[in-house]
Amino acid sequence: DTAVSQTPKYLVTQMGNDKSIKCEQNLGHDTMYWYKQDSKKFLKIMFSYNNKELIINETVPNRFSPKSPDKAHLNLHINSLELGDSAVYFCASSQVSGFTDTQYFGPGTRLTVL
Amino acid sequence: SQQGEEDPQALSIQEGENATMNCSYKTSINNLQWYRQNSGRGLVHLILIRSNEREKHSGRLRVTLDTSKKSSSLLITASRAADTASYFCATGIFGNEKLTFGTGTRLTIIP
Repeated sequence: DTAVSQTPKYLVTQMGNDKSIKCEQNLGHDTMYWYKQDSKKFLKIMFSYNNKELIINETVPNRFSPKSPDKAHLNLHINSLELGDSAVYFCASSQVSGFTDTQYFGPGTRLTVL
Repeated sequence: SQQGEEDPQALSIQEGENATMNCSYKTSINNLQWYRQNSGRGLVHLILIRSNEREKHSGRLRVTLDTSKKSSSLLITASRAADTASYFCATGIFGNEKLTFGTGTRLTIIP
């Protein structure tokens, strides 16, 4: 049983398209996150949600819109994709919000914008 | 610039040797965590050390924290081929809700 799962694993699309990435965790955690890892492996937080409420929005372009229908799911919708959006996107979860707890990561979604 | 920076950026050692990676950070922290990332995979938590702790062990892993020098080290003893991965430190800062990840050390274990 996968603790944090993401779909799809790979996403190849044209510039200007809209796409979504889904994330689900079965750990019963209250907090979920989206991270972006660039080609240099630098990992940067984008958003975090605690019990479906937005906690962190890390100056991400408006084209990125997270949505948490319930605390086990956090989806990421991206409008008008740009070349610079190409990266690996990771979903993660933790029992409590913030920096004091272990985070559990999904396998990642590699997004390639052509 | 990043809160945490790992050193070295890349490290290659023979299987069985010990591997040491360092992490330096800029501001006072509440805790520091180490994560491993195998190629093409998500990050896996290894160990968390709090600001009032100096050393922590977990199996073949030993983590030290020197808050006066704002640095931490991760030692992997008796390395194995399966330890080949990138290793990241992440810092938790008072008053900030997020973990900030470092730049990572790519470790290669040569069989």
